[in-house]
Amino acid sequence: AQSVAQPEDQVNVAEGNPLTVKCTYSVSGNPYLFWYVQYPNRGLQFLLKYITGDNLVKGSYGFEAEFNKSQTSFHLKKPSALVSDSALYFCAVRGLSGGSYIPTFGRGTSLIVHP
Amino acid sequence: EAQVTQNPRYLITVTGKKLTVTCSQNMNHEYMSWYRQDPGLGLRQIYYSMNVEVTDKGDVPEGYKVSRKEKRNFPLILESPSPNQTSLYFCASSAPPSMNTEAFFGQGTRLTVV
Repeated sequence: AQSVAQPEDQVNVAEGNPLTVKCTYSVSGNPYLFWYVQYPNRGLQFLLKYITGDNLVKGSYGFEAEFNKSQTSFHLKKPSALVSDSALYFCAVRGLSGGSYIPTFGRGTSLIVHP
Repeated sequence: EAQVTQNPRYLITVTGKKLTVTCSQNMNHEYMSWYRQDPGLGLRQIYYSMNVEVTDKGDVPEGYKVSRKEKRNFPLILESPSPNQTSLYFCASSAPPSMNTEAFFGQGTRLTVV
């Protein structure tokens, strides 16, 4: 069965500083990896995905993520955090077929950016 | 506009009173799924469907039913709701694996069972 771990319930960072939200995964075969963001009282918005190709993936709002196959990680990063980045972030993994194609999500990491 | 629409957005009901949360997508996606979101637990799969008349249990299916009579609709049915089903529910849809696209989510339904 596939799984995702987000080891930090909360990440605190000062505005202007770089941020990292960690994610590790487990899946049979090649992974499809995703990051979503959830703002208060809103649904999930897609940020970026890794399917194949370059290990560094760029997404919306200046976010990027680095795929590391040997460490089975897909950490979300941003060079300079904004207060408006404060939200709940979810990492997700899916397989290639059948039930594994439905994304499995981590528990989420609350990002708090302080002014 | 491509979207997944859930209704209602908010619902307060009493224990045992059957309810249905509707989900509709306009992207002709084969795959649809339901999740519940609870603090500290993230999103957990309830049921999913890979096509019309094809449904299967996710990680937390107890107390829920689904149906997929049409490609665009995937309602979630709570035959006899209980307080432990108080949660935030999300419906999602996806194109087939060959399309390599992300899942699209509805805006969520906040259900309170008293």
